[in-house]
Amino acid sequence: SQQGEEDPQALSIQEGENATMNCSYKTSINNLQWYRQNSGRGLVHLILIRSNEREKHSGRLRVTLDTSKKSSSLLITASRAADTASYFCATEFRAGSYQLTFGKGTKLSVIP
Amino acid sequence: IAGITQAPTSQILAAGRRMTLRCTQDMRHNAMYWYRQDLGLGLRLIHYSNTAGTTGKGEVPDGYSVSRANTDDFPLTLASAVPSQTSVYFCASSFGDEQFFGPGTRLTVL
Repeated sequence: SQQGEEDPQALSIQEGENATMNCSYKTSINNLQWYRQNSGRGLVHLILIRSNEREKHSGRLRVTLDTSKKSSSLLITASRAADTASYFCATEFRAGSYQLTFGKGTKLSVIP
Repeated sequence: IAGITQAPTSQILAAGRRMTLRCTQDMRHNAMYWYRQDLGLGLRLIHYSNTAGTTGKGEVPDGYSVSRANTDDFPLTLASAVPSQTSVYFCASSFGDEQFFGPGTRLTVL
């Protein structure tokens, strides 16, 4: 399977702390994306990083990509209770295919 | 703007019955996708369509069929449902790299 793997499977932190989630994948990619899923809802796109990029920021989100290690990390700074959700990485292996392979997700709980 | 709508929201179905899950988008996106989400397994791609009139198989296509007669609609059909098809089904669309997801259909096959 080309599925990405998130680590940890679950993470519990206090409000205001930073949360870091990692994703590893197996083969070369065109881009890597992070999605968020609130309980019982559809996924929402957060951020995309291309294979030729190393770091990207969007608000309180910071994504890094290390293609040599086939890994990515998502950092959420100054977490809020509303950040409680599951976070998935998704990889596009073939440019222009627009087909994504999702990992199993990290369940983040932010305690007020 | 509705985005992507899915129907029904949930359904309990007897094994062996035929079922069509509906998906409609109003964003005029070329590409559409069907995923299933199972506990501990993440999302797995069932079928996709890059444009109206074309479809393709994803990671887990067996037991499912799709059609794409127009840009907006992408129904998923289970010809003869089996209990292993109990899952939450998500439809998505994209114009480029980012995918937009519907709210999902929770299907239970007994």
